[in-house]
Amino acid sequence: DADVTQTPRNRITKTGKRIMLECSQTKGHDRMYWYRQDPGLGLRLIYYSFDVKDINKGEISDGYSVSRQAQAKFSLSLESAIPNQTALYFCATSEGQGMVGYTFGSGTRLTVV
Amino acid sequence: AQSVTQPDIHITVSEGASLELRCNYSYGATPYLFWYVQSPGQGLQLLLKYFSGDTLVQGIKGFEAEFKRSQSSFNLRKPSVHWSDAAEYFCAVGGGATNKLIFGTGTLLAVQP
Repeated sequence: DADVTQTPRNRITKTGKRIMLECSQTKGHDRMYWYRQDPGLGLRLIYYSFDVKDINKGEISDGYSVSRQAQAKFSLSLESAIPNQTALYFCATSEGQGMVGYTFGSGTRLTVV
Repeated sequence: AQSVTQPDIHITVSEGASLELRCNYSYGATPYLFWYVQSPGQGLQLLLKYFSGDTLVQGIKGFEAEFKRSQSSFNLRKPSVHWSDAAEYFCAVGGGATNKLIFGTGTLLAVQP
């Protein structure tokens, strides 16, 4: 099994629908991140979490929310999806300090129609 | 402001030719530097990383990168490109208290036979 698992791998949803992307990890890392990838823009940080009680906004958090249900689980929600949220979403984990063990999931491709 | 610049959006090289992909960064603290590769429809694969020590870093698939602090650069090189190297390449910088990664916009590499 992968160290960082994202579900679903692909999803098509309609404008206005609520959708949740899930991320789970077996690395035992405290820190978890959600990034979004758009063509020509690279990856940008949406939210990050240091532990279950510590959630922080990234550079593009508008329109998104997150939940850290446990050390191993970090979910990203789109409360009312819009077409410009069509993107590839990556979850990542890291250890406490020094960028050691930074690990990405395989990504979720989301299409909002 | 923290940023990563990959000045070449698209590069085409002939198979067997040498390759250099440019990356410049702006980062206030000691940077941790990364190169990732993404094949079409795939996730991110870590090629190499620089944390400290020897400024010439060896990675997987025959890639290497050189950290030049005076030029704020971390260019990726390969002496002889293979057709399977065709992909998109991302440079990233991170560190500090949050372990956030800041990505460049990517360089798309095409390999001619």
